[in-house]
Amino acid sequence: ETVLTQSPGTLSLSPGQRATLSCRASQSVSSYLAWYQQKPGQAPRLLIYDASNRATGIPGRFSGSGSGTDFTLTISSLEPEDFAVYYCQHRSNWPPITFGQGTRLEIK
Amino acid sequence: QVHLVESGGGVVQPGGSLRLSCAASGFSFSSCGMHWVRQAPGKGLDWVASIWYDGGYIYYADSVKGRFTISRDNSKNTLYLQMNSLRAEDTAVYYCAKGHSSDWANFDCWGQGTLVTVSS
Repeated sequence: ETVLTQSPGTLSLSPGQRATLSCRASQSVSSYLAWYQQKPGQAPRLLIYDASNRATGIPGRFSGSGSGTDFTLTISSLEPEDFAVYYCQHRSNWPPITFGQGTRLEIK
Repeated sequence: QVHLVESGGGVVQPGGSLRLSCAASGFSFSSCGMHWVRQAPGKGLDWVASIWYDGGYIYYADSVKGRFTISRDNSKNTLYLQMNSLRAEDTAVYYCAKGHSSDWANFDCWGQGTLVTVSS
């Protein structure tokens, strides 16, 4: 089973700043990695799939990169609505499908 | 507009059973793979089960294999999760999710979730 490790656990930034979130896989997942955003009391929302493809309706300030074992989600300029928990998820050689433990992005 | 609405959650004693439903609308349900994903209180996301558009492929997490059964009724646009032999560690919000068109193992739309509490 491929384990996904996200870092940092919590990221404290201000609106307008750039956010860089990391997801590392215990073995190669090729480019089969997705990112989700979850706000309190809400269901997750797909942001990025296949490492770098934005899902429908996702603003251009969100971008994903990486392949193999190291992946990054970048938010170029934080908006107030971007403060949430972010999860990575892989679909390489599934089942199982696994998620990272999450990164909490909080307002500084 | 895609809409997924879960129902059937509640409080059940350890060893009990519960059946969750997910009513789908706004898309061609019979053409899409579907999934159940759960989230224990204050915890992260945990994949539970998946079913191919026609039921031809079904997969389970090891933690629920042999106890949970995923199924679908394409004539009713409804996804199900039959949960038997429930344990305290199954306590979670259960989300149904639609598989993405690029690959069904990405979840591109989620319901609002239904809470299952296993407690005596």
